[in-house]
Amino acid sequence: QAVVTQEPSLTVSPGGTVTLTCGSSTGAVTSGHIPYWFQQKPGQVPKTLIYETINKFSWTPARFSGSLLGGKAALTLSGAQPEDEADYHCFLSYSGILVFGGGTRLTVL
Amino acid sequence: EVQLVESGGGIVEPGGSLRLACVASGFSFSNTWMDWVRQAPGKGLEWIGRIRSKAAGGTADYGAPVKGRFTISRDDSRDTVYLHLSSLNTEDTAVYYCWTGGSMGYWGQGTLVSVSS
Repeated sequence: QAVVTQEPSLTVSPGGTVTLTCGSSTGAVTSGHIPYWFQQKPGQVPKTLIYETINKFSWTPARFSGSLLGGKAALTLSGAQPEDEADYHCFLSYSGILVFGGGTRLTVL
Repeated sequence: EVQLVESGGGIVEPGGSLRLACVASGFSFSNTWMDWVRQAPGKGLEWIGRIRSKAAGGTADYGAPVKGRFTISRDDSRDTVYLHLSSLNTEDTAVYYCWTGGSMGYWGQGTLVSVSS
């Protein structure tokens, strides 16, 4: 099974910009991996932020955006807010088999 | 309003079995592919599997850690997707969520399964 990698932890200053990435052990991530991004705050159910690389839901704050960057899927947060402190998870699809990364703990400090 | 309500979790002994259910409302369930995802205590998310709509064949795919032990089924007349867990071990202890995926992205509140003797 493929391994999906994420940064274990990142820190961003309030108002700052940070990019989280989602890489694949099989090589470059493409739109064919159908990347998704999720936010999970302590004690809460995950929330789906981005689907199919770049698409947002009605509840996704505009400061979040998805892309492909340097052979990885990326989630960029522009203008970080204290409430963005959370765990962020991604998954990639391998011919319909989904594999999650280990998650990134984002600290806003 | 979309709602996904899981049930069926509890404490089960190693080697035991359990059936979880996820009742859906607020959307066209029969046309929706449904996923199960779990999260062990203090750990990340892990995909269990997905069942396609009947129109897409109604078949299911599974992640490597559970393939052969877990089975996903659906009853469109009850707007319900099931997760049958068998040969459980302590590593299966987790909160189990159903998720709609696609362009919907809704999560249930989860149900806790604890495997312990």
